[in-house]
Amino acid sequence: DQQVKQNSPSLSVQEGRISILNCDYTNSMFDYFLWYKKYPAEGPTFLISISSIKDKNEDGRFTVFLNKSAKHLSLHIVPSQPGDSAVYFCAVYGGRYSTLTFGKGTMLLVSP
Amino acid sequence: KAGVTQTPRYLIKTRGQQVTLSCSPISGHRSVSWYQQTPGQGLQFLFEYFSETQRNKGNFPGRFSGRQFSNSRSEMNVSTLELGDSALYLCASSLGGGEGGYTFGSGTRLTVV
Repeated sequence: DQQVKQNSPSLSVQEGRISILNCDYTNSMFDYFLWYKKYPAEGPTFLISISSIKDKNEDGRFTVFLNKSAKHLSLHIVPSQPGDSAVYFCAVYGGRYSTLTFGKGTMLLVSP
Repeated sequence: KAGVTQTPRYLIKTRGQQVTLSCSPISGHRSVSWYQQTPGQGLQFLFEYFSETQRNKGNFPGRFSGRQFSNSRSEMNVSTLELGDSALYLCASSLGGGEGGYTFGSGTRLTVV
């Protein structure tokens, strides 16, 4: 059973517009929620995270929102740029001896 | 500081053979985790080593094994390779917590023919 679900395999957005990537999780015990970005033939790169005690975290163009009651996480990218085109993975982490569990990813394509 | 180094970058093996992949973590990082990435399956957790001990294990058959040395370098071994083992194998190092401190290597692309 999947603990982390990214239901949209792909998303296309125009440059300058907002990109919204979504993620749902099943376990309310997770401590941290993270987003990673991955280009082909490279390892994932950490983008932004949020603690379970917060509902929003911003870092430049990237904002992560956490809705604990809905067990839903989203990443907003504003404004979107062509260089943002990559696969975005949502990940969760919980407990002292936990591991990082990933969703299957959403491929974002930002067109000029 | 140097990042996470995985060797080799590419590997082609024949079905039935075995393979060993290597991962050198960031200096000072004691945790090394291994993931398998295949199309449509995302990143699936294999196992995590912390201070030479396997701390967590994913849902993979016993053909997949690993170890960690005293200098935190880790190796992953896959025996009796199957075609379905073809994937990108990623290693990540961290200090031991998960709140964003995982740094990934570029991976080893394994092709089984």
